[in-house]
Amino acid sequence: DAMVIQNPRYQVTQFGKPVTLSCSQTLNHNVMYWYQQKSSQAPKLLFHYYDKDFNNEADTPDNFQSRRPNTSFCFLDIRSPGLGDAAMYLCATSRAIEGNQPQHFGDGTRLSIL
Amino acid sequence: GQNIDQPTEMTATEGAIVQINCTYQTSGFNGLFWYQQHAGEAPTFLSYNVLDGLEEKGRFSSFLSRSKGYSYLLLKELQMKDSASYLCAVMDSNYQLIWGAGTKLIIKP
Repeated sequence: DAMVIQNPRYQVTQFGKPVTLSCSQTLNHNVMYWYQQKSSQAPKLLFHYYDKDFNNEADTPDNFQSRRPNTSFCFLDIRSPGLGDAAMYLCATSRAIEGNQPQHFGDGTRLSIL
Repeated sequence: GQNIDQPTEMTATEGAIVQINCTYQTSGFNGLFWYQQHAGEAPTFLSYNVLDGLEEKGRFSSFLSRSKGYSYLLLKELQMKDSASYLCAVMDSNYQLIWGAGTKLIIKP
């Protein structure tokens, strides 16, 4: 029973063509995160939402935007994908930000840029 | 700056024991997490340590020394399915997770 669901698992887009990745959760967690992970590298946090409060990491490019229309859904929009944006994009949730609350990840969307 | 160090790759034999080390330098400390990540899949939570000492969970144990900025993950009775990357992550004073790049563990028969 998947609790953090990402669609699609694999996404191919063209250079410069906008793309949207989606994430939904059945855990009713307050916090949702978007990470970018490249091969053999640590996950890099792009944004997180605490409820409706949006938090953008300082080094997240303006090309990346996010929306959280309700508790269950969160979207990652890449306005003009470049070749360097090819990566695995991971969505995660946690009950709270503090302390011992682990993050629960979806299976990720692997994005390829042609 | 904030930094997490762990070995890039380790090799071990099926049935044996392996210890994966993690050292960290962060702005504050609110706990350390270990995650397992199989190739092409998402990370899955393994353990959380916030106090010094050993936490045991089945074949996996995790140890923390806050004074040394050091943790290890101990895997016993290794199975082929344990071949994966193991990521160490520290929660800093702003409750942000600082991630290591992961240790790729290769299990040989």
